[in-house]
Amino acid sequence: EVQLVQSGTEVKKPGESLKISCKASGYDFSTHWIGWVRQLPGKGLEWMGIIYPGDSETRYSPSFHGQVTMSVDKSIATAYLQWRSLKASDTAIYYCARHLSTSLVAPFHIWGQGTLVTVSS
Amino acid sequence: DIQMTQSPSSLSASVGDRVTITCRASQFVNMYLNWFQQKPGKAPNLLMFGISSLLSGVPSRFSGSSSGTNFTLTISSLQPEDSATYYCQQSYSTPGTFGQGTKVEIK
Repeated sequence: EVQLVQSGTEVKKPGESLKISCKASGYDFSTHWIGWVRQLPGKGLEWMGIIYPGDSETRYSPSFHGQVTMSVDKSIATAYLQWRSLKASDTAIYYCARHLSTSLVAPFHIWGQGTLVTVSS
Repeated sequence: DIQMTQSPSSLSASVGDRVTITCRASQFVNMYLNWFQQKPGKAPNLLMFGISSLLSGVPSRFSGSSSGTNFTLTISSLQPEDSATYYCQQSYSTPGTFGQGTKVEIK
């Protein structure tokens, strides 16, 4: 079964760093783009960016470029989303999701369960 | 960025009603228009891709169509389990923008 399992809820203070994870199983991790989607409390879905695990090529939304860093560790089939300095406005649920096929233009098909990140002093 | 404008933002309909949600792209997105369903507290679920291709297991009461850069999700006969928020998304170019969402409630 193809599955993405995300790391657990995080509670952080403004200015702290954070790295959340998304572990893939059930398929060849290197061959499908994985992306990250933000959902602010009570709001819609925002496409943050995608990464190709095969060569770590990344595509960031301009809204998130420079604010977060996507990475992968192929040896453990895990994707990461990282912040250097969190802000209260980063409070949200973050989903990882895998493309339906190996194509860059494929939709997100397999989703993680979401990681709730709360940033509060 | 390509902007996706979805309407209405919410609707309330009765079981058995025909429901239509529209999504307009600010630029050409070819056929790379997708629809997601999200229920409260859950991750989104891909319903349809390529304008009208249903994912396996998605009921046939869901359908999609297009006219130029205008796209439509239709539920032919609304069921109680269809209560959810629906999002369109273009995957033609990055960033793969989502529409604002349409909350569908059952009267």
